[in-house]
Amino acid sequence: SQKIEQNSEALNIQEGKTATLTCNYTNYSPAYLQWYRQDPGRGPVFLLLIRENEKEKRKERLKVTFDTTLKQSLFHITASQPADSATYLCALLTGANNLFFGTGTRLTVIP
Amino acid sequence: DTGVSQDPRHKITKRGQNVTFRCDPISEHNRLYWYRQTLGQGPEFLTYFQNEAQLEKSRLLSDRFSAERPKGSFSTLEIQRTEQGDSAMYLCASRGPGQGAYEQYFGPGTRLTVT
Repeated sequence: SQKIEQNSEALNIQEGKTATLTCNYTNYSPAYLQWYRQDPGRGPVFLLLIRENEKEKRKERLKVTFDTTLKQSLFHITASQPADSATYLCALLTGANNLFFGTGTRLTVIP
Repeated sequence: DTGVSQDPRHKITKRGQNVTFRCDPISEHNRLYWYRQTLGQGPEFLTYFQNEAQLEKSRLLSDRFSAERPKGSFSTLEIQRTEQGDSAMYLCASRGPGQGAYEQYFGPGTRLTVT
């Protein structure tokens, strides 16, 4: 069956450190992988997209890697801040138009 | 551009009643999606419209659920004969028409509670 797993439900890190979140998938062949941020009671907000032929993408303090052999994406937030505390969702976009989401990782950055 | 809006934001209904939710996408976006999200889970795809055509529906979508997008602008999602298991956040998202426009813009959601 198709599955998208994010490494942990919750991750606590100290302010200033790098947060690393993992997304693993099985039985998908995604053309694109996306990361979204979701705050409580709100809809997800798009952060980054990486294509299957790209290894790495950066945007400000965010970095995403995509390994289609391992079927894994890593999402890094460097110099983390308390304002980065949120749930982060990875999502796969297949050849069709649908996004399939993981369960999310709740990140808490401790001051 | 005010983003994606959804109405109502909260709905409490009794089991067996029908409910209807509305989504207004970003004005130039021709693609519209509905998702359902329960606590601790990621959004789960329900259905997809391109303009007024409903092009995909999840196999998990019960016959009690129906969605429309009559003029290719706003969309409605109706749930008939609600059940307690329908309690969830219902999210709408829209996406631009360009070939490279893959990111989806989500509304704030409608939280449904079935008592």
